[in-house]
Amino acid sequence: GESVGLHLPTLSVQEGDNSIINCAYSNSASDYFIWYKQESGKGPQFIIDIRSNMDKRQGQRVTVLLNKTVKHLSLQIAATQPGDSAVYFCAENNAGNMLTFGGGTRLMVKP
Amino acid sequence: EAGVAQSPRYKIIEKRQSVAFWCNPISGHATLYWYQQILGQGPKLLIQFQNNGVVDDSQLPKDRFSAERLKGVDSTLKIQPAKLEDSAVYLCASSVSPRSRVSEQYFGPGTRLTVT
Repeated sequence: GESVGLHLPTLSVQEGDNSIINCAYSNSASDYFIWYKQESGKGPQFIIDIRSNMDKRQGQRVTVLLNKTVKHLSLQIAATQPGDSAVYFCAENNAGNMLTFGGGTRLMVKP
Repeated sequence: EAGVAQSPRYKIIEKRQSVAFWCNPISGHATLYWYQQILGQGPKLLIQFQNNGVVDDSQLPKDRFSAERLKGVDSTLKIQPAKLEDSAVYLCASSVSPRSRVSEQYFGPGTRLTVT
């Protein structure tokens, strides 16, 4: 079936650098996407979301970009900090407020 | 406000045994979800409740998994009998209502189940 997935399983960046985490989706009918952060031993935590009628949305130090032409989603984290180390998931919202998660990317921040 | 509570945090059982997980959602949240997260994968929705009724259980392995939310608040998820492939983290989440934005779905810390 259709699913949401990620390109890279692990991303290692230097503290202070910018991070980019990518996600590909296959359901062209998807109209709402969310990025979650999951730290070890904790449940996923909402970071930022974007609707399909937008191509960019900014939060505090984070930006999500949506390219519907190639069905690609990315999360940009500015000035990456050690506290950003976690697994990041993109998720697709289906009808009835049900989420389909991708496989996750582990972000490791080197001091 | 208090978050989603789950217990136990960890459980180790042998295959063919039974196990139950408990979830207490955020006060006032009508919708409750159970997810299964296998190591290295994203969470997969098992079942969604709206108050005490089931909205979707299409991905719940009903031959061994069951869930209930009798009074529309707390919920339990049971596995009977457990298999090795059931080893995972079981996450509970809640939201105000299914019509709320999905960003309002709050997750608990999960229960890590190991089946030996």
